Formats: sequence, C-alpha cells, structure tokens
Amino acid sequence: QLQLQESGPGLVKPSETLSLTCTVSGGSISSNTYYWAWIRQPPGKGLEWIGTIYYSGNTYYNPSLKSRVSISVDTSKNQFSLKLRSVTAADTAVYYCARIFGGPYYFDCWGQGTLVTVSS
Amino acid sequence: DIQMTQSPSSLSASVGDRVTITCRASQSISSDLNWYQQKPGKAPKLLIYTASSLQSGVPPRVSGSGSGTDFTLTISRLQPEDFATYYCQQSYSSPFTFGPGTKVDIK
Repeated sequence: QLQLQESGPGLVKPSETLSLTCTVSGGSISSNTYYWAWIRQPPGKGLEWIGTIYYSGNTYYNPSLKSRVSISVDTSKNQFSLKLRSVTAADTAVYYCARIFGGPYYFDCWGQGTLVTVSS
Repeated sequence: DIQMTQSPSSLSASVGDRVTITCRASQSISSDLNWYQQKPGKAPKLLIYTASSLQSGVPPRVSGSGSGTDFTLTISRLQPEDFATYYCQQSYSSPFTFGPGTKVDIK
C-alpha cells in the first residue's frame, strides 16, 4: 500500500527558506503513471495547490508562488522535495504531499500533512 | 485561473438524510472535477474523480454528477462517518484549484 510521509522543520523564521521532503513507500516514484505534488492548507482555511513534479524532473508551479518555489525529485531515495523561499506568516500552513494520477488528473493518495509555522 | 465556488458553505443534517453539495466553475471544465472529504486533523481523501467516477473503497451512497460548469456531490443516506468538510477541485487547467469547502455537521 502506497504511503507518503512529509518531513522537515515545523518552525521557520520570516524571510528564510521552508524545506520539506516527502518520502514515498510501497511504490516507485519513477512510475510513468503518476505525478507528485505539494498542497498546503492554512489553519482553518482551504486547500492550495503549490506545484507538481514528474519523476523525470519536469515541474509545474502555481503562478501565485512560482517566483519563490522549487520542487525536486530524488528517484534513488524515492523522495521529492519542496523549497519555498522568503517565507512570511502567510506561508504558515499544513503542507501535504500527494500523488496525482496522471490522466485524468486527481490527487489519489495523500501524506498525513505537516504543520509549518513561520515565526521569529 | 479557474475559480471554484461551492454551496452551501455549511449545512446541518441528520443520519439518514440525503445531502447534496453544489460546485460551480468559473468556466467550462468538461468533466475534470474531483471531490474530496476531509475530517479534522486529517488529510483530504479522494471520493469522486472525473465528476462521477467513484474512487475504490468509497461507499456507493456517495455519487457525483455534472459537466461543464455545474457539478453536484450527493450522499444518499448520511452516515456518522460522513460528517466532514467536502471540497471540489478542477483539474482541467493549471493551476489546479479547489473550492472553498462545504462543512457537513450534525443537526
């Protein structure tokens, strides 16, 4: 059974870089059927798609975050990662990693999520 | 970006009730519409994809319909485990966007 697990610091200072990793187990990140994504949810609010990566390294970002975001993949470790630069309090959220079925597209498996707080 | 709206934003219902949630897209998205259920402190769970296809393991009392700009999620006989927040999400074009959610609570 596929499992995704987010990891990384729960507290980041303003203006610094948020870094998270998603470890995929029970399946290969190199499958050509799926993409891999980051989604976030501020406390008490709705869901926002951050970006997506394919195992080949092709990336797709939300234009609202594109200038600050990078997503990378490490197929040898079955992991993909998120970096969000120059964070502010508005970036405080639960960050989820998820698998996207690649055509039609839907988020069919999610990690449990990790809360990242931006505060000094 | 394609804007997604949902109505109602919240509703109160009883076990056994039939519940319908509506999702509307700001432009036609064909059938590229998915529904998720989220319980407090948990990740969203896929219920319906491509407007009407039931995800494996989801009970058949859950159904989806619609195409173009207007979609509905129906739970035919509400069960205690169905009290949650429901989100629609379009995958027609990037950026993928979600509706604001509909909270279903106990009357």
